[in-house]
Amino acid sequence: KAGVTQTPRYLIKTRGQQVTLSCSPISGHRSVSWYQQTPGQGLQFLFEYFSETQRNKGNFPGRFSGRQFSNSRSEMNVSTLELGDSALYLCASSQGVGRVAFFGQGTRLTVV
Amino acid sequence: GENVEQHPSTLSVQEGDSAVIKCTYSDSASNYFPWYKQELGKGPQLIIDIRSNVGEKKDQRIAVTLNKTAKHFSLHITETQPEDSAVYFCAASMAPYNQGGKLIFGQGTELSVKP
Repeated sequence: KAGVTQTPRYLIKTRGQQVTLSCSPISGHRSVSWYQQTPGQGLQFLFEYFSETQRNKGNFPGRFSGRQFSNSRSEMNVSTLELGDSALYLCASSQGVGRVAFFGQGTRLTVV
Repeated sequence: GENVEQHPSTLSVQEGDSAVIKCTYSDSASNYFPWYKQELGKGPQLIIDIRSNVGEKKDQRIAVTLNKTAKHFSLHITETQPEDSAVYFCAASMAPYNQGGKLIFGQGTELSVKP
């Protein structure tokens, strides 16, 4: 089985721009979660989707949003980028809410 | 709020020695505790997990113990090898209750195994 696939792997954006990251979960997995990883704050939960519905949300500003499609693929969007948004964004998939989570390689976002 | 404290932040051992990483969680409702290994340039990889109805779980050279009363859990790696060198993260979750699959992570432990 293919693992969790995140695209793109690397991204450079300018302050004020917006960005969309994509995540394809493991086949058969219906839950997708997103995390932000930075050296200072570590791994922080952004949100979780199951069957196209957001089930849980972390403490991030409204500039961070996401969605899930009927095929379980998920996207997250960050609008009005700030320098502090530079991070590794990780997607994790699981068979259902609260089940074991498997992570992708992440998307490295750099905001300049 | 929910919090997971992880210690030590760095750990250096000789090949063949054992390594122990400890985590403490704040929310007594937490019931699922996975451990992840992250190598440079890669995403976290699940290495072992334990649920609150179990006190200990072992998988070859890796074991995890859970003390619900004290709200702490530990990762034990025996007979360490250079390929065990990585950053290890503990996490806690209240799945599958109202917090869903949200994982609260510790700050990470950078393990270095010297040949």
